[in-house]
Amino acid sequence: ELKVEQNPLFLSMQEGKNYTIYCNYSTTSDRLYWYRQDPGKSLESLFVLLSNGAVKQEGRLMASLDTKARLSTLHITAAVHDLSATYFCAVDFTGTASKLTFGTGTRLQVTL
Amino acid sequence: KAGVTQTPRYLIKTRGQQVTLSCSPISGHRSVSWYQQTPGQGLQFLFEYFSETQRNKGNFPGRFSGRQFSNSRSEMNVSTLELGDSALYLCASHRVSTGELFFGEGSRLTVL
Repeated sequence: ELKVEQNPLFLSMQEGKNYTIYCNYSTTSDRLYWYRQDPGKSLESLFVLLSNGAVKQEGRLMASLDTKARLSTLHITAAVHDLSATYFCAVDFTGTASKLTFGTGTRLQVTL
Repeated sequence: KAGVTQTPRYLIKTRGQQVTLSCSPISGHRSVSWYQQTPGQGLQFLFEYFSETQRNKGNFPGRFSGRQFSNSRSEMNVSTLELGDSALYLCASHRVSTGELFFGEGSRLTVL
C-alpha cells in the first residue's frame, strides 16, 4: 500500500524557535512536494524535491529529501506567527506527477 | 499570469442530485488532476487528465466522473449525491518543466 505519514500532526511552537516536520513514505519515489494551506484556502506550493539529496530553502523554511531513507523534512527556523498554517507533504509514486499521495498534514501554530 | 480557475466556488445540493464542477488550468498546461479534501479522509486523488485522456484514477465509485476538453479545461461530475460527498474539491494544473502542481481555490460542495 502506498502510504505517506507526517509527524507531528499538531505542533505548537513559540516565535523564534526552530522545529522540524517529518514526512515518511512507504515505497520508492524521488519526487516529493510540500504545500501550505491556510484555513478555508487552497494549497500553496512551497517546494518540489526531485532527486535524492535535494535541498531547497525559502525564507525561514528549508526542505530536504533522502530517497534512500524515504524521508523528507521541512525545517522551520526562527518561527514567526505568519507561518501558522497546515503543512502537507505529497509523494508522486507514478513518476509523472499525475497522481499525488498526500500525508495527513501538520497543523502548525506559532504563538507569541 | 492567470492561475488555476475553478467554478463555482461554493454550492449547496441535496442528496440524490448531481453536480458539475469546472476547472481551467494555467495556460499551456495540458495535465489537470482533481482531489477531494475532507476532514476525515484528508486529501484524496480522484483522477487526472492529459490531452483529453484519463491517465490515472483514484479509488472512488463510478458516481465520480470527469472529462477534459481540447482547450485543456476539465470538468468533474458527481451523480446521485450523498452526504459524504460534502468536501472541498481541488483542481491542480501541472507544469511539466519543473514538476510543480498548482492548485485552484477549490469548489466547496455541501450536500444536505
